[in-house]
Amino acid sequence: DAGVTQSPTHLIKTRGQQVTLRCSPKSGHDTVSWYQQALGQGPQFIFQYYEEEERQRGNFPDRFSGHQFPNYSSELNVNALLLGDSALYLCASSPGTFNQPQHFGDGTRLSIL
Amino acid sequence: DAKTTQPNSMESNEEEPVHLPCNHSTISGTDYIHWYRQLPSQGPEYVIHGLTSNVNNRMASLAIAEDRKSSTLILHRATLRDAAVYYCILSANSKLTFGKGITLSVRP
Repeated sequence: DAGVTQSPTHLIKTRGQQVTLRCSPKSGHDTVSWYQQALGQGPQFIFQYYEEEERQRGNFPDRFSGHQFPNYSSELNVNALLLGDSALYLCASSPGTFNQPQHFGDGTRLSIL
Repeated sequence: DAKTTQPNSMESNEEEPVHLPCNHSTISGTDYIHWYRQLPSQGPEYVIHGLTSNVNNRMASLAIAEDRKSSTLILHRATLRDAAVYYCILSANSKLTFGKGITLSVRP
């Protein structure tokens, strides 16, 4: 039973570019959350998708957007990349009800030059 | 979001029990207490969670104070693989607000 998978594992972009990161949830999970983890910090919640809708959102600008597909997989898009967007981006999946354990992928390391 | 307070770091010896404390004096009645850990170069891993009663699973035990203003994660026999950053998180929904966590070192 595959866990949460994320692609790509590493990515290098330049300022101003756009990036799309992908996540496949654990089998049986219908909720996907995205987190940003800067070096030496804990993960910060970006947003959560459930039933193809954004259910909750953290304190991130509109440059960060997402999508969830009917098969529950998800994408995170970031426009107009800034140097400060360099981070590890983590995807987590869980069942739809609140307060269930979240299963994390190992993330996409995004570097902005 | 209700806040948690953890020590920055803790050391333990292999095969001894470890008690990781967490203070959360502003916890609300609907907040669950979650613990996750993160090993180097990996995503966070769920450890345990609870609301009011103490909880046990194959990884650890969670002891919750009667007033719910503090809790303790208990690893019954630390192994070298338990060396990680442990995060104590309060959540009433599925949004997890991570702090800096506590870095656990395990001595052989």
